[in-house]
Amino acid sequence: GESVGLHLPTLSVQEGDNSIINCAYSNSASDYFIWYKQESGKGPQFIIDIRSNMDKRQGQRVTVLLNKTVKHLSLQIAATQPGDSAVYFCAENGVTGNQFYFGTGTSLTVIP
Amino acid sequence: DGGITQSPKYLFRKEGQNVTLSCEQNLNHDAMYWYRQDPGQGLRLIYYSQIVNDFQKGDIAEGYSVSREKKESFPLTVTSAQKNPTAFYLCASSGAWTVGSYEQYFGPGTRLTVT
Repeated sequence: GESVGLHLPTLSVQEGDNSIINCAYSNSASDYFIWYKQESGKGPQFIIDIRSNMDKRQGQRVTVLLNKTVKHLSLQIAATQPGDSAVYFCAENGVTGNQFYFGTGTSLTVIP
Repeated sequence: DGGITQSPKYLFRKEGQNVTLSCEQNLNHDAMYWYRQDPGQGLRLIYYSQIVNDFQKGDIAEGYSVSREKKESFPLTVTSAQKNPTAFYLCASSGAWTVGSYEQYFGPGTRLTVT
């Protein structure tokens, strides 16, 4: 089956610093990736996505980088705020292209 | 407001009872999904449906059943055959895969506790 893993299960950053959350994916056939944010007791919220024909995509305060050579995905959050504290998941669409496989998540804590 | 609703937010059942979790969406999405989330783990796919009256098993379908009689609704039944039913259940929907609308929108989740 698919495996999507995160390099670090927890991350603590000072408010105002930049955060980088990493994700390794296993299936080179995956062509679509999404980052989700999940606050405690709530459903995941879409943050940003990227297709395999791109290396980088920017949103508001967030940037996703895709390195297909090493099958690595990262989420960069600029000027991290307390409201960014949550668990962040990456997901890939795998072999079939129509199912998503989620990693275990990285818990981000922002220290005021 | 457009979105996905799940009810109830918390559900308690005795072991041996079947229980049905509700999921409704008004996003006009063709595809709907059910995931299970356990503490410290990622989301695991239970069932998904690409279109009304059709659904497919995900990675952990045993002990669960679904129906898709209406585009807006995709209820999940947790049967007594499910060995470890206590979990956080998430419903999601997305546009048609044929147009590449992969992004999944999630509901707020239902936390099921079986004792």
